[in-house]
Amino acid sequence: KQEVTQIPAALSVPEGENLVLNCSFTDSAIYNLQWFRQDPGKGLTSLLLIQSSQREQTSGRLNASLDKSSGRSTLYIAASQPGDSATYLCAALGGYGNKLVFGAGTILRVKS
Amino acid sequence: GAVVSQHPSWVICKSGTSVKIECRSLDFQATTMFWYRQFPKQSLMLMATSNEGSKATYEQGVEKDKFLINHASLTLSTLTVTSAHPEDSSFYICSAREGGAFSYNEQFFGPGTRLTVL
Repeated sequence: KQEVTQIPAALSVPEGENLVLNCSFTDSAIYNLQWFRQDPGKGLTSLLLIQSSQREQTSGRLNASLDKSSGRSTLYIAASQPGDSATYLCAALGGYGNKLVFGAGTILRVKS
Repeated sequence: GAVVSQHPSWVICKSGTSVKIECRSLDFQATTMFWYRQFPKQSLMLMATSNEGSKATYEQGVEKDKFLINHASLTLSTLTVTSAHPEDSSFYICSAREGGAFSYNEQFFGPGTRLTVL
């Protein structure tokens, strides 16, 4: 059974700092890994989706990497801004029925 | 990107009543839809998977008679919480994708429905 873990659970950084969010998964037989952002009381916004054959994906100040063999993914946020404050979730797709399994999330606060 | 809507965005009901939540794919055919629930400060937990025209598959521990799912068309799935109780209060999120059970197409998420049972 796939398990997804995210570290740290919460992170507070000053504006402008570069930061890394970590995601690990126990079953490396995944089709893709996805990073989402969730603002309080809102739904999910997809940030980046990395296919199993890819090593990384970039969008603006965000860069996500994937290492299937070690069961890890990282989300790198450059030059953080207060507007980046949110909960970041990673999710791995695979297994019977191709279900997304979510991590518990990292709550990010960027202080101005 | 593909758009998924949910209605209502929030609902308050009395204990013992039933509540229906709709999930619609607006610009693609959603062969498969998923229903998740999220408790405060927790992650999303998959409740059930539904394929158009067939019965939903429920995750372990989810009462199928309490959470009725209907996926009658390629653009609409409904979740009915029957005889709701305060412990059913939660944030319910649906997602949809093209392709059946063995597809690995991207899922697109709705904005969620906040259910509060008094």
